[in-house]
Amino acid sequence: DAGVIQSPRHEVTEMGQEVTLRCKPISGHNSLFWYRQTMMRGLELLIYFNNNVPIDDSGMPEDRFSAKMPNASFSTLKIQPSEPRDSAVYFCASSLKAGPSYEQYFGPGTRLTVT
Amino acid sequence: DAKTTQPNSMESNEEEPVHLPCNHSTISGTDYIHWYRQLPSQGPEYVIHGLTSNVNNRMASLAIAEDRKSSTLILHRATLRDAAVYYCILRDGTGANNLFFGTGTRLTVIP
Repeated sequence: DAGVIQSPRHEVTEMGQEVTLRCKPISGHNSLFWYRQTMMRGLELLIYFNNNVPIDDSGMPEDRFSAKMPNASFSTLKIQPSEPRDSAVYFCASSLKAGPSYEQYFGPGTRLTVT
Repeated sequence: DAKTTQPNSMESNEEEPVHLPCNHSTISGTDYIHWYRQLPSQGPEYVIHGLTSNVNNRMASLAIAEDRKSSTLILHRATLRDAAVYYCILRDGTGANNLFFGTGTRLTVIP
C-alpha cells in the first residue's frame, strides 16, 4: 500500500490567495483526519471525517478554513483567503475505523508558507 | 482527554535498550495508551498501543503499570533511525477520535 498521499508537498503563496491541500487516505480506511503543526502550538487536530461525513470541526481556526471529503478516497482542506499565520505543516491521517483502539497513519505533510 | 507527562529529552547509546516513561495518573478505565513518534521532517508514525496488558510488536514493547497510572515504551536495541520525538497519548473510549499530541520526549541516539 502506498500509504496516505498528500499534495502538494510544499506550497508557497501570497497573503490573500486561496490554497487547497489534497489528501488520499489508505484504501479501505473509513476515518480521515486533518492536523496542523507549528512550533508554537505543536500538532493540533483541525477536523475529522468518518465515512466521508465531518464529525468534529471544532479545531478549524475560523471561517477561512473549510474541508471536504466528496468520496472515500479524496479529501481537501481549503484556506481562503490565506494569511501569514496559516504557515505550518498540514498533515492528513487515516485510520481503518473511528475509535480509540485504532491507530492513525499519517501522510508526509504539506509545508505551507504564506508570505 | 486525560493528560500525560513525559520527560522533555532522553539520550541512549546505539544498540542499547531504551525505556521511555510516561505518567498518566488521571487515566480512566476506557482510555487506551498510544505511542507515536515523529522523525525529523516526517509525519507522526504509529508505534504501539495497549489498554491493560503489556504489548509487543516488531517496533517496540509497551509495559503498562498494574494501576495503569504509568507506562513505559521499550525499544530493545536503539538505532540511529530511532532518534525522534516520542509521544505518549491517551485516547478516550467515550470521547473524540482525535490524537492529542503533547510535547513528547526527544530521543537522541548516540553512535
